[in-house]
Amino acid sequence: GQQVMQIPQYQHVQEGEDFTTYCNSSTTLSNIQWYKQRPGGHPVFLIQLVKSGEVKKQKRLTFQFGEAKKNSSLHITATQTTDVGTYFCRGAQKLVFGQGTRLTINP
Amino acid sequence: DAGVTQSPTHLIKTRGQQVTLRCSPKSGHDTVSWYQQALGQGPQFIFQYYEEEERQRGNFPDRFSGHQFPNYSSELNVNALLLGDSALYLCASSWDALNTEAFFGQGTRLTVV
Repeated sequence: GQQVMQIPQYQHVQEGEDFTTYCNSSTTLSNIQWYKQRPGGHPVFLIQLVKSGEVKKQKRLTFQFGEAKKNSSLHITATQTTDVGTYFCRGAQKLVFGQGTRLTINP
Repeated sequence: DAGVTQSPTHLIKTRGQQVTLRCSPKSGHDTVSWYQQALGQGPQFIFQYYEEEERQRGNFPDRFSGHQFPNYSSELNVNALLLGDSALYLCASSWDALNTEAFFGQGTRLTVV
């Protein structure tokens, strides 16, 4: 079945540094979604990517979908303490989540 | 407009017992999905309901079953509970079965002792 792998599993940065998490699928994805889960909270939808090579930005967050539609990335520029949490990608076709990347920030 | 609501918020059960968790989707949503999230792990897809039928199922045993009612609310039932079933159970709703943006509830924390 479809598997979605995320790396890294953990990332600790100094406030103001950049952060990137990568999502790789074993199969081609029709689309991919990104979610953020704060500690003790529930996943919250960030964005959905559909087109091959698509790039979308939300303020300091940049999302990319690979040309082959098998990988995606989330990049945060100049992290802030409010960015703390675990970031998950989800292959919307088969509803499979990656294991997530837990981001912690040193203020 | 209420979002996705789940009940109860916390639950403690004994091994071998049965449990029922409930979910009311966001207004206007007709598709409900259930996830199991162990501590420190990503949500694992259990199944999805649309038009009162199970449409997709993840890799979970038959002890996990569900139901969707005409008002789109849903239940997750787990029989013969095991210690390993202890987890956060998340319900997510969306406005169609094509898996657009999913809204998650706060979850039910199940502890099996």
